[in-house]
Amino acid sequence: DAGVIQSPRHEVTEMGQEVTLRCKPISGHDYLFWYRQTMMRGLELLIYFNNNVPIDDSGMPEDRFSAKMPNASFSTLKIQPSEPRDSAVYFCASRITGNTGELFFGEGSRLTVL
Amino acid sequence: AQKITQTQPGMFVQEKEAVTLDCTYDTSDQSYGLFWYKQPSSGEMIFLIYQGSYDEQNATEGRYSLNFQKARKSANLVISASQLGDSAMYFCAMREGLFDYGQNFVFGPGTRLSVLP
Repeated sequence: DAGVIQSPRHEVTEMGQEVTLRCKPISGHDYLFWYRQTMMRGLELLIYFNNNVPIDDSGMPEDRFSAKMPNASFSTLKIQPSEPRDSAVYFCASRITGNTGELFFGEGSRLTVL
Repeated sequence: AQKITQTQPGMFVQEKEAVTLDCTYDTSDQSYGLFWYKQPSSGEMIFLIYQGSYDEQNATEGRYSLNFQKARKSANLVISASQLGDSAMYFCAMREGLFDYGQNFVFGPGTRLSVLP
């Protein structure tokens, strides 16, 4: 079975540019999460969706960040404009209702903003 | 307040030995779940083991076991017969609420385990 798929795996961009990260959750999973991992702050929850609806976006750092889930098999995290402090690894994770609740993570997207 | 504490930034263990990675948590909820994840150098996050707050027995998954001491609010991961491939970062995480009543996973800072040949 395919796991959570993220793209791109690596992105290098210049400050001020728009960045779009993509995620395909595991088929049948009804929760999708976006996390950010940095050395300083560890793993932080940015936003999560249930059945494509954003439930909690309190972790989104500021208005430059936005996330969408237009359908059950696709989500995007957009940063516009990007800043050097956005450099991090961004993880997408999904889970299914009714099990013990473990998250299944993608391989992450490493973002570097110069 | 930090909800998940992992006091060991780094640990070393000899191959084939057992190792315990510490995790303490803070919650006022009665219902919660505890998780351990492994992050090898390649970067992916791999789920290892789960313990529910109402589970009376310690969880086990192969060489992994979770030493759950509810009164002390600790959920230590025990890896038996360490292998070189166990070298990685290990994260303890908690989700307050069980099953579908809580989605806020909180991760600890992690412990870097190095297995020596």
